[in-house]
Amino acid sequence: DIQMTQSPSTLSASVGDRVTITCRASQSISSWLAWYQQKPGKAPKLLIYKASSLESGVPSRFSGSGSGTEFTLTINSLQPDDFATYYCQQYNSWFTFGQGTKLEIK
Amino acid sequence: QVQLVQSGAEVKKPGASVKVSCKASGYIFTSYAMHWVRQAPGQRLEWMGRINGGNGDTKYSQRFQGRITITRDTSASTAYMELNSLRSEDTAVYHCARTAPGAYYGMDVWGQGTTVTVSS
Repeated sequence: DIQMTQSPSTLSASVGDRVTITCRASQSISSWLAWYQQKPGKAPKLLIYKASSLESGVPSRFSGSGSGTEFTLTINSLQPDDFATYYCQQYNSWFTFGQGTKLEIK
Repeated sequence: QVQLVQSGAEVKKPGASVKVSCKASGYIFTSYAMHWVRQAPGQRLEWMGRINGGNGDTKYSQRFQGRITITRDTSASTAYMELNSLRSEDTAVYHCARTAPGAYYGMDVWGQGTTVTVSS
């Protein structure tokens, strides 16, 4: 199975900040990576697919990059609605998720 | 609009089975796959398996092989996930989520989640 590891596990930031979350795969997954946002008690919401493609309706302050084994999610100019938990997911070989990164208000 | 609506919360005893439904609307059910993903308290999301909405082909995670059955009723645009031999570690929120063929676009629509509690 392909293992996915995110860093950091928790991130404290302020409104207006730029933040970056990293996701590493245990083997190459090409660009078959998605990013999701999840708020407490809610279903995950797709933000990015195929490493860098923005899902329809997602604000352009979200962006993704990377290929192979290392990927990043960047959020520019954090908004109050962005404080949530973020998960990466590989879908090169079935599906596995990272452990999540909780983005907290500083 | 496109949505997935799941059945309500369940409380089961260890050893029992649970069957969760996921009703799709707003799109052609047979043109997409339906996946089941669970999240135990404080844990990461975990993929359990999927069914091809068109031909009914299934694929299960090795972790659940032998205990899980995913089915669909195309006339009702509904997918089902049944998990047997429940244990306390199966207490979790269970979500359905769809993907286009090949999962190229990721899991773009999710159900609201069904809480399954396993307790004696």
